[in-house]
Formats: sequence, structure tokens, C-alpha cells
Amino acid sequence: AQSVTQLGSHVSVSEGALVLLRCNYSSSVPPYLFWYVQYPNQGLQLLLKYTTGATLVKGINGFEAEFKKSETSFHLTKPSAHMSDAAEYFCAVTLNTGFQKLVFGTGTRLLVSP
Amino acid sequence: DTEVTQTPKHLVMGMTNKKSLKCEQHMGHRAMYWYKQKAKKPPELMFVYSYEKLSINESVPSRFSPECPNSSLLNLHLHALQPEDSALYLCASSQTGTGVEKLFFGSGTQLSVL
Repeated sequence: AQSVTQLGSHVSVSEGALVLLRCNYSSSVPPYLFWYVQYPNQGLQLLLKYTTGATLVKGINGFEAEFKKSETSFHLTKPSAHMSDAAEYFCAVTLNTGFQKLVFGTGTRLLVSP
Repeated sequence: DTEVTQTPKHLVMGMTNKKSLKCEQHMGHRAMYWYKQKAKKPPELMFVYSYEKLSINESVPSRFSPECPNSSLLNLHLHALQPEDSALYLCASSQTGTGVEKLFFGSGTQLSVL
């Protein structure tokens, strides 16, 4: 079965600093990988996804992630944090066969200080 | 219109009550999902409907009964719930339900069972 592990339940950065949120996956077959963001009292919004092809994926709001098969990682980065980036971030995995059964990581809360 | 609308936003019910959660989308999506999210936890898949047919039931207790009257509507009927069922219930939709697709989430119904 596939799974994802997010290192760090909380990450604190200063406004303008680099954002790095870590995600490692486990899957016996090539996975599809996603990053979703959840703002307080809201549903989830897709930031970016990796399916096939280019391993560096660019998403919305200046975020990007790189799929590294050798490291089984899919870390999320943003060069310069903004106060509005404060939210809960979930890495998720699903198989590329059958119906979509997203399996989410435990989430990382990003805190941005002025 | 890229919204998934859920009603009500908040619901308080007793253990003997019967209530329903509603979800609606007008994006022409043919797959709809129910997720359950406990506080400070990731969403967990409950049900998937594809082309109005129940495709996935993640061993959810029978006190939760999903219904998909048409391709735009998804209901979750609740009966004899337990306090541990208190959670945020998220509805989502996607084009057809395959693993590569982006999920569009509603803002959820915050359910409290007394």
C-alpha cells in the first residue's frame, strides 16, 4: 500500500525566507503525488501535482516541488514566504490505476512571522 | 463556476437524530467524494461515486449512508451517530475519478454530535 510521511508537524519561517516542506512517499508502483493547502475553516486546494514527465513541478502561488525517485521524496519549496502562506499543507499519494484514493500525510502547519 | 458548495456549514445533532449533509457542483464532474477530517488530522476517504454509482466504500459504518441523486448532487445521510463521529466532513469532485485528476473541495460541514 502507498503512504506518505511528512517530516515536521510545524515549520516556522520569517516573511521573505525560503519555505521547505518535506514529504517522502512509499509505493510499490509509480505513484501520483500531490500537495494540497488548507486555510483555516476551509476545504483543501491543490497546489501542484506530479504524474509523469518533468520532475520539477511548478504550482500556484509560487510553489514548486521536485520528484526524486532515488530519494522517494517530493518536497515542496517556495523561494520567499509571504504572510498569506500560513496554512496547513498536506502531501498526498495515489496510485495511477483505478479510482482515485488519495492518501494524505499528517500535514505540516506553516507559520510565517513578520 | 469552479465551486463545490456544501450545506449546512455547521450542524449539531443528538445521537438519536437523523440529518443529511448536502454537496453540489456544477462543473460537469462525474466523480464525487466524501472525506472525514478530525481536528488536526488529515482527511480520510469515506466514499467515492463515479457516474452516480458507488465505487468505493472505505468500510464506513452503516450509520453513514451516501446518496448520489444525479451527477451534480451528493448527500450524506446521518443516523444514530456517536460523539466520536464529530468532525469536518468534506465533499470533493473531479472529472471522472481517475488517479491523475485534481480534486475540488468544498469548505466542509463541521458536525458536532452530542
